Amino acid sequence: AQSVAQPEDQVNVAEGNPLTVKCTYSVSGNPYLFWYVQYPNRGLQFLLKYITGDNLVKGSYGFEAEFNKSQTSFHLKKPSALVSDSALYFCAVRDPYFNKFYFGSGTKLNVKP
Amino acid sequence: GAVVSQHPSRVICKSGTSVKIECRSLDFQATTMFWYRQFPKQSLMLMATSNEGSKATYEQGVEKDKFLINHASLTLSTLTVTSAHPEDSSFYICSARDRRRTGEGETQYFGPGTRLLVL
Repeated sequence: AQSVAQPEDQVNVAEGNPLTVKCTYSVSGNPYLFWYVQYPNRGLQFLLKYITGDNLVKGSYGFEAEFNKSQTSFHLKKPSALVSDSALYFCAVRDPYFNKFYFGSGTKLNVKP
Repeated sequence: GAVVSQHPSRVICKSGTSVKIECRSLDFQATTMFWYRQFPKQSLMLMATSNEGSKATYEQGVEKDKFLINHASLTLSTLTVTSAHPEDSSFYICSARDRRRTGEGETQYFGPGTRLLVL
């Protein structure tokens, strides 16, 4: 079974500081991992994904994520947070056999000016 | 590219009526679309997988007679909430799978969501 966990309901960070949003995964087989962002009353926007290759994946809006196989983690990072980054972030894993996405519970990111 | 639209964006209806929500892939063909439901401050719950030209596959616990799904073309899927009740009030989001980009690295593209309020 495929699943992801986001241990933090909320992350608070000051503008200009680095941010990390945590995600751990549990998969059978190769992990296909994704990060999405959701702004209020909007659908999800794709940020980045890890399929294979380099452990550090770069995505949209300056975000990146580090795949760590030994720790089964796929944390989302950004070197310098912006107030406009405040949103709800979802980690997801794709089950290639059933072609389904399984989402984490979401982490609300608050970036204070 | 890879834009998915939903209509309406917001709907208010009376209890007992039916509501139809449309999901369209605007610049690609989607053999598969997915319908999710999201409760306030919670994650997305997959309701069903909609396949063009065939019956939808529903997740466990989702009433197929309550949530009717039709995927009539490669760019349109509809979700009809029949005999809606206040507990059906929620945020419904669709996503689509680009038939040209299937495989290990494929990404789902999400619509903006539909807010349903049943009075």
